[in-house]
Amino acid sequence: DIQMTQSPSSLSASVGDRVTITCRASQAISRNLNWFQQKPRKAPKLLIYAASTLQNGVPSRFSGSGSGTDFTLIISGLQPEDSATYYCQQSFMTPPTFGLGTNLEIK
Amino acid sequence: EVQLAESGGGLVQPGGALRLSCAASGFSLMNYAMRWVRQAPGKGLQCVSAFNERDGSAYYADSVKGRFTVSRDNSKNTLYLQMNSLRAEDTAVYYCVRRMGPSYYYALDVWGHGTTVAVSS
Repeated sequence: DIQMTQSPSSLSASVGDRVTITCRASQAISRNLNWFQQKPRKAPKLLIYAASTLQNGVPSRFSGSGSGTDFTLIISGLQPEDSATYYCQQSFMTPPTFGLGTNLEIK
Repeated sequence: EVQLAESGGGLVQPGGALRLSCAASGFSLMNYAMRWVRQAPGKGLQCVSAFNERDGSAYYADSVKGRFTVSRDNSKNTLYLQMNSLRAEDTAVYYCVRRMGPSYYYALDVWGHGTTVAVSS
């Protein structure tokens, strides 16, 4: 299985800040990288697919980049409702595998 | 509206069995690959089963292989996960998830609300 390494595991930031979450795959996965947001007691929500394409309805303050093994999720202009856990996930090969998550706290 | 709705979770003793259901609406399960993804309390996400819509073949995580079986009822547009010989480590919220096609890089775009399985004596 492809291993996904996500960092940091947690971070704290203020409203208006720009935050960056990184994800590294154990092998090249082209652009088959997706980002999810999960709030407590809710199902994960797809934010970005194909490394950089925003899912319908996702605010433009979310952006993604990368290809191969290294990927980045950036949230620009942090909002209180962005408090959540964020997961990267590769869809290059079955089984789909996820990073361990980044817990984002809004100060 | 495209939706997935899981049911069938509950409290079961070790060694017991449960069958989870995932009712799809707004689209046909015959046209999409599906996944069962679980999340143990306070933990991350793990795909336990992947179902291929074209030939009905399936992948199972090593931890559930030989104990879990995925199937589909086309007439009911429902996906199932039969879970036998349940263990404490199977305790989790189980999500039914739709996989998009190659144009969308196979992303997981629609998730159910999840159903909770608790294995305990």
